[in-house]
Amino acid sequence: EDQVTQSPEALRLQEGESSSLNCSYTVSGLRGLFWYRQDPGKGPEFLFTLYSAGEEKEKERLKATLTKKESFLHITAPKPEDSATYLCAVNNAGNMLTFGGGTRLMVKP
Amino acid sequence: EAGVAQSPRYKIIEKRQSVAFWCNPISGHATLYWYQQILGQGPKLLIQFQNNGVVDDSQLPKDRFSAERLKGVDSTLKIQPAKLEDSAVYLCASSLDAGSGETQYFGPGTRLLVL
Repeated sequence: EDQVTQSPEALRLQEGESSSLNCSYTVSGLRGLFWYRQDPGKGPEFLFTLYSAGEEKEKERLKATLTKKESFLHITAPKPEDSATYLCAVNNAGNMLTFGGGTRLMVKP
Repeated sequence: EAGVAQSPRYKIIEKRQSVAFWCNPISGHATLYWYQQILGQGPKLLIQFQNNGVVDDSQLPKDRFSAERLKGVDSTLKIQPAKLEDSAVYLCASSLDAGSGETQYFGPGTRLLVL
């Protein structure tokens, strides 16, 4: 059974204080690892897809990396508008997503 | 490009009542998904459609939940009768097809409260 564990569950940062979110996974036949951002009262918003170990993708202050067992979402010099829940999910051969519980990020000015 | 549309956005019902949710996917997307997201957790897949056929419904509580996607476009998810534990956000997502690694795009969700 596919499993995804995200840590920490919650993270408080000061504006400008860089950090990383972790996503550990076990999956039979990884076809993609996805990062989503979810704001309160909204649906998940797609950020990145990573397909193979060693792959990296960047978007503004966010950078996602992938190894064979985990993925990291690095946030460089965060701003208050980066506050949200970040969800990680793995995709198997059936294109079904298994999500982790998310990391709730709060960035204080 | 218009995103995934869902309605209603909020619904409050009493236990044992029925409720239905509607989803219109992104135009041209063949695959449609329904997820349940309980407060503080990640979304959990309930059912996946490819056009108007069911690909996977292994996690759908079929004694009370049903879903259909007539004509391969819009979809409806129904709960009958509702239980307290069904209180959650019901998310609809769509992707171009069911190929591995295809990005799923989510709608805003329907927030259900069962009293």
